[in-house]
Amino acid sequence: EAGVAQSPRYKIIEKRQSVAFWCNPISGHATLYWYQQILGQGPKLLIQFQNNGVVDDSQLPKDRFSAERLKGVDSTLKIQPAKLEDSAVYLCASSFGTVTYEQYFGPGTRLTVT
Amino acid sequence: GENVEQHPSTLSVQEGDSAVIKCTYSDSASNYFPWYKQELGKRPQLIIDIRSNVGEKKDQRIAVTLNKTAKHFSLHITETQPEDSAVYFCAPQRDSSYKLIFGSGTRLLVRP
Repeated sequence: EAGVAQSPRYKIIEKRQSVAFWCNPISGHATLYWYQQILGQGPKLLIQFQNNGVVDDSQLPKDRFSAERLKGVDSTLKIQPAKLEDSAVYLCASSFGTVTYEQYFGPGTRLTVT
Repeated sequence: GENVEQHPSTLSVQEGDSAVIKCTYSDSASNYFPWYKQELGKRPQLIIDIRSNVGEKKDQRIAVTLNKTAKHFSLHITETQPEDSAVYFCAPQRDSSYKLIFGSGTRLLVRP
């Protein structure tokens, strides 16, 4: 079974620029998550989708971050404009969301804002 | 909001010794209790989990114990090996939300 795919793997941008990350979950997984993991900390949930609807975006900085899940499959996370404190690894994860709770994580995108 | 704490934040053991990491949570509605392992530069991966109707679960060298009354659960690793060196996260969860609240992590170092 193919895993969760993410791209790009690395991105370096200057502050105030914009950036977008892409995620393709495991086939059949209804639930998709975006996490932000700052160095030395645990992953922090940014947004959770169930199919193509948003379940939880309470920790998403909506003035600069946006996310969408196209047709309940792929998802993109955008930051505009980026700040220095956005430097982190952005992890996408997916799960069946019903029978089992295990979340499968993608390799992540390491973002550096200079 | 939910509060999740892990102790200790770092743990160094000699190869072959046991390691125990404790996770304390505040949400009494939590009923699913996983542990994730994250090696340096890699993604988190589930290593063991337990549900609230079970007090203990074991899988080879790792085990998880749950005390729902006291709202804590622990990861036990026996006969530690260098490849167990990683950061371990607990992430208690409610069935209804499938939302993981990760602890701050415990960095385990196994000395050969």
